[in-house]
Amino acid sequence: ETGVTQSPTHLIKTRGQQVTLRCSSQSGHNTVSWYQQALGQGPQFIFQYYREEENGRGNFPPRFSGLQFPNYSSELNVNALELDDSALYLCASSLGGVSSSYNEQFFGPGTRLTVL
Amino acid sequence: AQSVTQLDSHVSVSEGTPVLLRCNYSSSYSPSLFWYVQHPNKGLQLLLKYTSAATLVKGINGFEAEFKKSETSFHLTKPSAHMSDAAEYFCVVRDNDMRFGAGTRLTVKP
Repeated sequence: ETGVTQSPTHLIKTRGQQVTLRCSSQSGHNTVSWYQQALGQGPQFIFQYYREEENGRGNFPPRFSGLQFPNYSSELNVNALELDDSALYLCASSLGGVSSSYNEQFFGPGTRLTVL
Repeated sequence: AQSVTQLDSHVSVSEGTPVLLRCNYSSSYSPSLFWYVQHPNKGLQLLLKYTSAATLVKGINGFEAEFKKSETSFHLTKPSAHMSDAAEYFCVVRDNDMRFGAGTRLTVKP
C-alpha cells in the first residue's frame, strides 16, 4: 500500500507568480484535504475535495484553488503569490466525505514553499 | 465555531519521566478530538482520537488522553518519556473541518 506523496518537496517562487502543488492520495482513498502550515503554527484547513468536487473550504481567498482527478490525486494552485504564502503545504487523504463519520486522514510529508 | 488551545508552546522532560501536554477546546456540541504528532521532515501521524465513546482514549506509543467535558480539556499523557517522543504535538478539534492548535514542542533530555 502506497502512502500519501507530495511533489515537489521544496519550491522557491517570487511574488506575483503562480504555483501548482501535487498530491497523490493513498490507495483506496477518495477524499483529499489541503492544509497550510506557517512556520511555528498549526496547520490551517484550506479546502477538501471529495470525488472531484470541492467539499468544504476554510478561510482562504479565491486565489487558492484546487482540482481532484478521477484517480483521486489532487492539485493545489495558488495565484498571485504573496510573501505570507510561504509555508509548508500538507495534503491528507481519507475515505469518505465531510459528512461521513470520521475516517482517519493520512498526511503526506508536505511541500515547503518559499516566496521571495 | 470550534477552536482549540494548546496551553504550552514548549514542554521539556527528562527521559523516563511522565509527559503532560495540555489542550483545551471550545465547542457548541460534542466534539471529535484528536492528537497528532509531527516529526521533522515527516508527515503528521495520528496518535489517538476521541469520538464520544470511552472518555479515556489509548493511542499508539503508550500515549493516552482523557476527555473531560466539564473542564473542556483533552490532555495528552504518557507515563514515561522516550527520546524518540521528541516532536511537535497538535491537538485537533473536528467540526466541518479539522481545527489544529498551535502545537506543543516536546523536548526529551537524556
